[in-house]
Amino acid sequence: DAGITQSPRHKVTETGTPVTLRCHQTENHRYMYWYRQDPGHGLRLIHYSYGVKDTDKGEVSDGYSVSRSKTEDFLLTLESATSSQTSVYFCAISGATTYEQYFGPGTRLTVT
Amino acid sequence: GQQLNQSPQSMFIQEGEDVSMNCTSSSIFNTWLWYKQDPGEGPVLLIALYKAGELTSNGRLTAQFGITRKDSFLNISASIPSDVGIYFCAGPPYNTDKLIFGTGTRLQVFP
Repeated sequence: DAGITQSPRHKVTETGTPVTLRCHQTENHRYMYWYRQDPGHGLRLIHYSYGVKDTDKGEVSDGYSVSRSKTEDFLLTLESATSSQTSVYFCAISGATTYEQYFGPGTRLTVT
Repeated sequence: GQQLNQSPQSMFIQEGEDVSMNCTSSSIFNTWLWYKQDPGEGPVLLIALYKAGELTSNGRLTAQFGITRKDSFLNISASIPSDVGIYFCAGPPYNTDKLIFGTGTRLQVFP
């Protein structure tokens, strides 16, 4: 299994509060991704990173920001959480072959 | 936006039966990936296909890259209870490097 951890695994927060999710890898892979998974929508890309301090937007980036100050860590921040951001968030990594992505265990976020 | 259509949406089969599912796109793909997701876990990569017509196996799983490059198929032979889960196809649309995912096929296996 790829060495990917996500923290926290579960979080409940209130509308309007900031939230940061962390993804940590031990594989030294260049590419890291954040997805959200919702019923009926499958997995949708939020943001991705192709190197330290190099990030770009995905399909559903509004309301989210990311940072990558080290190869091994990729942070996803919800500046002001809304109920529509209740979801399961997955981090993924890929190496030389960018299409083969390996996923972390997920973070279940509930915004009340 | 671009979508991948998976069928069937769900399957209920008896242990020992073979399973077939597919994934179709309106545009050409250069790569097809198949993932399986168990409840409460992240998707796990099963098979990657890189060439039109390619047939690749991983144990009891066999996947094919359609010759039109707009579809892919996954077969599971002699299903067992641990095959239960959701199967996703994924791929990068032509001239992009980001994956899009299908909405999944949910497989239930009864003893």
